[in-house]
Amino acid sequence: NAGVTQTPKFRILKIGQSMTLQCAQDMNHNYMYWYRQDPGMGLKLIYYSVGAGITDKGEVPNGYNVSRSTTEDFPLRLELAAPSQTSVYFCASSYFQKNTGELFFGEGSRLTVL
Amino acid sequence: EDQVTQSPEALRLQEGESSSLNCSYTVSGLRGLFWYRQDPGKGPEFLFTLYSAGEEKEKERLKATLTKKESFLHITAPKPEDSATYLCAPRGAAGNKLTFGGGTRVLVKP
Repeated sequence: NAGVTQTPKFRILKIGQSMTLQCAQDMNHNYMYWYRQDPGMGLKLIYYSVGAGITDKGEVPNGYNVSRSTTEDFPLRLELAAPSQTSVYFCASSYFQKNTGELFFGEGSRLTVL
Repeated sequence: EDQVTQSPEALRLQEGESSSLNCSYTVSGLRGLFWYRQDPGKGPEFLFTLYSAGEEKEKERLKATLTKKESFLHITAPKPEDSATYLCAPRGAAGNKLTFGGGTRVLVKP
C-alpha cells in the first residue's frame, strides 16, 4: 500500500509565486488534513476535510486554499507565497470512527520561500 | 481553546537509562489522547490512543499513561533505535481535530 503520498518533496519558491502541494491517499479514508510544522514546533492544522466536497479551516488557514473533489485527493494551494510560509507541510488521512482518529501521515513537503 | 505542553523539549539518555516524557493538556471534553513518534525527515507515526484517566497502553519499551490533566510516556531501558521526537495530541469535544504539542526530542546514546 502506498498510503499517503505527497508531492513535491522539496520546493523553493520566490515571494509572490503560487503553487499547489499534492496529496493522495489510497486507503479510502474520508478524513484528510493539512498540517504545517515549523522547526522545533508541533503541527499546526491548516485545513481539513471530512469528505469529498466538504472542507473547513483549521488553526492557520490564512494564505492557503484547499479543495476536495474526490475521496483520494486533497491539494493545498499557496497563493502569493510569503517567507512566513517556509515550513514542512504534512498531509494526513484517517477513517473517522467513534473513538478512533489514528492519523496516517505522508512524508512531508519541505517548502522554502525566498 | 485547547492547549497542550510537552516537557522536556529534549532528552539525552544512555542506553538502558529509563525516563518519562510529560504531556500536559487543557481540553474541553477529552475524546482521546494520541501519542505519535516522528523520525527525522518523516511524518509522524501513530503509537497509542488513551481514552480515560487510569488507562495504560504498552508497546515494546514504551508505556503511555493518562490522568485528567496529563499523559506520560515512559521509556524503559531505551535503545538507540528509540531516538525520535515524540508528539502527544489530545482531541477535544469538536472531535475532528487533534491539537499537537511541540514534542520531546529523545536521543539515546549507546
